[in-house]
Amino acid sequence: DIQMTQSPSSLSASVGDRVTITCRASQNIENYLNWYQQKPGGAPRVVIYSASGLENGVPSRFSGSGSATDFTLTISSLQPEDFATYYCQQSYNLPATFGPGTRVDLK
Amino acid sequence: QVLLVESGGGVVQPGRSLRLSCTGSGFTFSGYGVHWVRQTPGKGLEWVAAISYDGTYTSYGDSVKGRFTISRDNSKSTLFLQMSSLQPGDTAVYYCVRDLCSSINCREYFQDWGQGTLVTVSS
Repeated sequence: DIQMTQSPSSLSASVGDRVTITCRASQNIENYLNWYQQKPGGAPRVVIYSASGLENGVPSRFSGSGSATDFTLTISSLQPEDFATYYCQQSYNLPATFGPGTRVDLK
Repeated sequence: QVLLVESGGGVVQPGRSLRLSCTGSGFTFSGYGVHWVRQTPGKGLEWVAAISYDGTYTSYGDSVKGRFTISRDNSKSTLFLQMSSLQPGDTAVYYCVRDLCSSINCREYFQDWGQGTLVTVSS
């Protein structure tokens, strides 16, 4: 199985901050890397697909980059509605595997 | 819009069985692969199982292989997860997730999720 790691596991930030979360795969997954946002009590929601594709309806302050084993999710200017937990997930093969998550909370 | 509604969760004793259901609407259910993904506080998000559009192909995570069975009834737009020999480690919120293609390994992302149903395995 492909193992996914994320860093940091949590971060505290202020509105307007630039936030960067990294994700690493245990093997080359090309660009089959997706990012999900999850708020308490809700299901995950995709924000970035295929490493850098912005899902419809997601604000342009979200961006993704990377390929092979190293990936990044960036929020250019954090907004109040962005405080949540973010997960990366590889869709290169089954079993689909997720990173452990990065919790973004208010400083 | 796409809607996935899970049901069947509850409290069950270790070693017992439970069947989850997921009813889809707002799309042609029979045209898409569907997955179960679960979430526990301690282990985060874990992919459980998947089934192709016609039920021909299935796949399971190692932790549930041999204990869980995924199936579907396209005439009722419903997905099932039969869980047996349940263990406390199976305690989780179980989500039904639609694939973006008819197969189960087309390398797409999980766009559509249900609201989840909670399964608690405890004596």
